[in-house]
Amino acid sequence: EAGVVQSPRYKIIEKKQPVAFWCNPISGHNTLYWYRQNLGQGPELLIRYENEEAVDDSQLPKDRFSAERLKGVDSTLKIQPAELGDSAVYLCASSFIDRRETQYFGPGTRLLVL
Amino acid sequence: AQKITQTQPGMFVQEKEAVTLDCTYDTSDPSYGLFWYKQPSSGEMIFLIYQGSYDQQNATEGRYSLNFQKARKSANLVISASQLGDSAMYFCAMRERTRGATNKLIFGTGTLLAVQP
Repeated sequence: EAGVVQSPRYKIIEKKQPVAFWCNPISGHNTLYWYRQNLGQGPELLIRYENEEAVDDSQLPKDRFSAERLKGVDSTLKIQPAELGDSAVYLCASSFIDRRETQYFGPGTRLLVL
Repeated sequence: AQKITQTQPGMFVQEKEAVTLDCTYDTSDPSYGLFWYKQPSSGEMIFLIYQGSYDQQNATEGRYSLNFQKARKSANLVISASQLGDSAMYFCAMRERTRGATNKLIFGTGTLLAVQP
């Protein structure tokens, strides 16, 4: 079974430029998450989707961040414009609704804003 | 507020020895889940083991076991027979309820494990 797929793996941009990250979850997982992981810290949730619906976006900086999950499968996270402080690893995860709801993560996108 | 604490920033262990990584948590929710993830230098978070708050027995998955002490609010990870490939960052996480629904993970700051030959 294929795991969570993310692209690109690495991205270097200049500040004020836009950037987008793509995620394809594990087949059959209807819940999708975007996390941000700053250097030396654990991941922090940005947004959670149940199918197409964003059910928790309380930690998403809505002035510059946006996300979508059309058709309830793939998802895109966008930053426009990027700031120096956005440099981090952006992780996508997915889960299936069962007792554990274990989240399985993709390899992440390492973003460097210069 | 729910919180995960990992007090060991880094640890060394000799190959083939066992090692315990500490994790304490704080929550007022009677129903919660505890997870351990491994993050090698490649960056991917790899799920290792799960413990539910109502589970009667400590969880085990191969060389990984979870020492769950509910009264002390601790969920330590034990890795037996350490291998060089176990060198990585290890994160403890707790599932938090959001808006009446489950599944926001709260992570600790991680413990960097180095296995020495």
